[in-house]
Amino acid sequence: QQQVKQSPQSLIVQKGGISIINCAYENTAFDYFPWYQQFPGKGPALLIAIRPDVSEKKEGRFTISFNKSAKQFSLHIMDSQPGDSATYFCAAFNQAGTALIFGKGTTLSVSS
Amino acid sequence: GAGVSQSPRYKVAKRGQDVALRCDPISGHVSLFWYQQALGQGPEFLTYFQNEAQLDKSGLPSDRFFAERPEGSVSTLKIQRTQQEDSAVYLCASSPTRGFHNEQFFGPGTRLTVL
Repeated sequence: QQQVKQSPQSLIVQKGGISIINCAYENTAFDYFPWYQQFPGKGPALLIAIRPDVSEKKEGRFTISFNKSAKQFSLHIMDSQPGDSATYFCAAFNQAGTALIFGKGTTLSVSS
Repeated sequence: GAGVSQSPRYKVAKRGQDVALRCDPISGHVSLFWYQQALGQGPEFLTYFQNEAQLDKSGLPSDRFFAERPEGSVSTLKIQRTQQEDSAVYLCASSPTRGFHNEQFFGPGTRLTVL
């Protein structure tokens, strides 16, 4: 049973465009949702995170939108750049607030 | 400063062999995590240490998997009698405190291939 569902599996966006990655969760006990970015051969690195009592959080070109009633959240990358080409994972902390539960990932390719 | 380091970066084992994977967390970090990342998948939680205490090992897939952190710093993940389904990247992460929702800093992982 996948606790955090992520889509699309892959995404191709032109330079300057908007990349959108969607996630959904089932467990209403989840209360903190980070996004991680992973480049080939590297470990995931925290990009941005949000709590469900906030509907939107923006950091530079990265924005998370959160819909608590629908149990859905999404990552928007504005003005996408070739350097943004990576795999993105949404995640939720487990009920203990310690371990991360990851989605399956979205591979983003930004063409120049 | 140095990030989380893992060794070896690549390991090839024959089915049935035992392997040991090492993680050096960021100095002073209290919490340490192990994750397993299959090809094309997101990382899956294996186990969690707070200092030398293993507080959660609910993600270990079988009793062939064993992790330790005897002095509260370096950790070793051991897999006995490896099987082909153990092939994956094993990621280690550390976090500075024992609190909830702390940022986890990941190492580059060890890619294990079981033939």
